Amino acid sequence: DTEVTQTPKHLVMGMTNKKSLKCEQHMGHRAMYWYKQKAKKPPELMFVYSYEKLSINESVPSRFSPECPNSSLLNLHLHALQPEDSALYLCASSRQQGAGETQYFGPGTRLLVL
Amino acid sequence: GQQVMQIPQYQHVQEGEDFTTYCNSSTTLSNIQWYKQRPGGHPVFLIQLVKSGEVKKQKRLTFQFGEAKKNSSLHITATQTTDVGTYFCACYPHWRGGSNYKLTFGKGTLLTVNP
Repeated sequence: DTEVTQTPKHLVMGMTNKKSLKCEQHMGHRAMYWYKQKAKKPPELMFVYSYEKLSINESVPSRFSPECPNSSLLNLHLHALQPEDSALYLCASSRQQGAGETQYFGPGTRLLVL
Repeated sequence: GQQVMQIPQYQHVQEGEDFTTYCNSSTTLSNIQWYKQRPGGHPVFLIQLVKSGEVKKQKRLTFQFGEAKKNSSLHITATQTTDVGTYFCACYPHWRGGSNYKLTFGKGTLLTVNP
């Protein structure tokens, strides 16, 4: 099973809403990632978790709050987002965090902030 | 940080024509990966190149890593409509030690194929 699942597929939220994105993998991977992708742009790294601990935060605004409850799950909590945060949010996982690791991406959540 | 420049940004071809996208770095890369993202889809890993001068083939796709490990290319022979999508190169920084490994993507090449 090389699948990373993400829910929901689509999300529309107002600027005062609180919502969460969920990601799950059952490949036994110990590194998990959140990326943000705007149209016609490459994925931009937001956060990296390694062995359930936050390893990298790419200076992401605090309105995005990641959480890794266990080795299979990754959440991204959203609060007071701005319209410019509308994007495709991709989760990915790899065996470990390290050079040369293949990342497996989920299908993403398409977020629209009104 | 580590950056890779990818060209061209867009390429439109007639079905059956060949296609090539290039990635260049000003610094030596430890390895380079290639991903494909179909329209409306997510990036899917294609291949990783590690060795200087390495060439790998997947059916009609040929991947090369330069001798100096500063450039790479993806060549598709006789494109088909199923090849449509954005092709990204991606790399990890070339340093020893530390744990802040992060994959950096090129800007991608969008390939469209006219049937």
